[in-house]
Amino acid sequence: SQQGEEDPQALSIQEGENATMNCSYKTSINNLQWYRQNSGRGLVHLILIRSNEREKHSGRLRVTLDTSKKSSSLLITASRAADTASYFCATDRSIGGTSYGKLTFGQGTILTVHP
Amino acid sequence: DVKVTQSSRYLVKRTGEKVFLECVQDMDHENMFWYRQDPGLGLRLIYFSYDVKMKEKGDIPEGYSVSREKKERFSLILESASTNQTSMYLCASRYRGSTGELFFGEGSRLTVL
Repeated sequence: SQQGEEDPQALSIQEGENATMNCSYKTSINNLQWYRQNSGRGLVHLILIRSNEREKHSGRLRVTLDTSKKSSSLLITASRAADTASYFCATDRSIGGTSYGKLTFGQGTILTVHP
Repeated sequence: DVKVTQSSRYLVKRTGEKVFLECVQDMDHENMFWYRQDPGLGLRLIYFSYDVKMKEKGDIPEGYSVSREKKERFSLILESASTNQTSMYLCASRYRGSTGELFFGEGSRLTVL
């Protein structure tokens, strides 16, 4: 079963605008991660937020986590055409034990940034 | 630089053929994973390995097997390929004690005719 559900499925914006993607999940988590995937390529890790954190920043990326609502959002500010990609949230559900890094991924949001 | 290499980017096989997908990492990672990615379904975990010769089933292991004879290499095997195994296959790895970030290969797109 899919742990992460992402919204929207597709997002089209102009360069310079902000892009917000949302992720909801069902069970308690250890951490939540966001990945980016350029068309036909592998995934690249963007940012990780732990269950005891509420917000995290990395460059133009801002991630929030609301464990009470079991949801997270990824904000990309001042988007560029080069940000065009698919974005996935992934949850690490192991708590207290060895994770082995088993992540459960959402279906992803396809972001298109028009120049 | 961290590197996960998948041996084939594109493969075309026939139904019933045995297929090997190879993945090599140069980071001395203990944990390695095979995911498949299909439109609308995201990534689903097939198998993972947490050490040499150790493996565990993921969410969709049916029709697949794996081999981890050396730490750096994790192979995915389709004993008898079927058309519903046409997909993008992604290998990933990480340190056992890390916070959970996965390092991915570029993917292998398999088409089964």
